[in-house]
Amino acid sequence: EPEVTQTPSHQVTQMGQEVILRCVPISNHLYFYWYRQILGQKVEFLVSFYNNEISEKSEIFDDQFSVERPDGSNFTLKIRSTKLEDSAMYFCASSDLETQYFGPGTRLLVL
Amino acid sequence: GQQLNQSPQSMFIQEGEDVSMNCTSSSIFNTWLWYKQDPGEGPVLLIALYKAGELTSNGRLTAQFGITRKDSFLNISASIPSDVGIYFCAGQLWGEKLTFGTGTRLTIIP
Repeated sequence: EPEVTQTPSHQVTQMGQEVILRCVPISNHLYFYWYRQILGQKVEFLVSFYNNEISEKSEIFDDQFSVERPDGSNFTLKIRSTKLEDSAMYFCASSDLETQYFGPGTRLLVL
Repeated sequence: GQQLNQSPQSMFIQEGEDVSMNCTSSSIFNTWLWYKQDPGEGPVLLIALYKAGELTSNGRLTAQFGITRKDSFLNISASIPSDVGIYFCAGQLWGEKLTFGTGTRLTIIP
């Protein structure tokens, strides 16, 4: 069964460093999303991406964040200069318009 | 933004008991979804509902899309140990972001 994959599974970084989180969506899906979940809290929407451009973003997704689909398979989230409060699980999801399927997440820890 | 109120926040039940949880929203959704999340993992889709009034089952799970399009419930019958986890409802307008509920943590007492 096709699934969304994410790498790395864990990332530890120093405050102020750049991180890139990678996702491989399900191959025939056209809609891609990033969500994050701070420990013990609900899943929060960051950004949606369709047709090689951002279709919607939340107030969390400020100028420090960017997304890219550099080739036909990868979908990346970049945090330019990490802050302590960026520590969270980051989930990628892809959709065929009807249903979103989530990857296993990347646990980001900013020290 | 849209808010989903999910209840109860947590449940402590004995194996074999039935479970019921629900979500309500201040605004309508086109789609309601129920996900389960195990510690350190991503949400796994349990049931998706696409039409108001729809009642859908997946094994021991049953979920309904409220007729007003502002609410949904999930029932789990005859709970087993592997049902332990956090259950999230999520609402969606067509093709757009998911708005998640606050989650229901299910614990099964041996």
